[in-house]
Amino acid sequence: GAGVSQSPSNKVTEKGKDVELRCDPISGHTALYWYRQSLGQGLEFLIYFQGNSAPDKSGLPSDRFSAERTGGSVSTLTIQRTQQEDSAVYLCASSSGLGGTDTQYFGPGTRLTVL
Amino acid sequence: QKEVEQNSGPLSVPEGAIASLNCTYSDRGSQSFFWYRQYSGKSPELIMFIYSNGDKEDGRFTAQLNKASQYVSLLIRDSQPSDSATYLCAVRRTGRRALTFGSGTRLQVQP
Repeated sequence: GAGVSQSPSNKVTEKGKDVELRCDPISGHTALYWYRQSLGQGLEFLIYFQGNSAPDKSGLPSDRFSAERTGGSVSTLTIQRTQQEDSAVYLCASSSGLGGTDTQYFGPGTRLTVL
Repeated sequence: QKEVEQNSGPLSVPEGAIASLNCTYSDRGSQSFFWYRQYSGKSPELIMFIYSNGDKEDGRFTAQLNKASQYVSLLIRDSQPSDSATYLCAVRRTGRRALTFGSGTRLQVQP
């Protein structure tokens, strides 16, 4: 079946602009995660959704970052007033949300470049 | 101390050899452990997970977990040039769904 999809694949924006990144999880997966990976850095957790609620937002780096999920499916990550340090690959993952060994499957990512 | 530590490498092995990748973690409350492979410019893909002490085998891959020593390892038998990638160790702590990743070990398999 189809995997996790993300759009756009690449986004170049100017400092101070807002951006929206989209994630479409694997069909039937109730859990959805956003991570980001900066050049030379490991994956950094941002936010976790179970259904439409976000019980763990602990990784969001500032209040410029927000995310929502509607209909238990598609999620949008919004970054307001982008800064150069926001440049990274933003990765979305989804999982069934069941059990302690629940495995996360990643999408192809959105490469964000802030000029 | 980082929550999940990996040697950044590169780890270079000849084709056909066994590659051994190691990972240590600091939180004893960690319950599940995952290995992902990431090719340059691509997203991580799951290789396998382990949650019980001991070994778990899947094809050419074996994951090993020792909770007392807080380490998890991945062995790749009969290494192939196509195994050349960065291998990410990820840990899930009890009560959390998010994964904490190490910075990855770059593996180079020489033909």
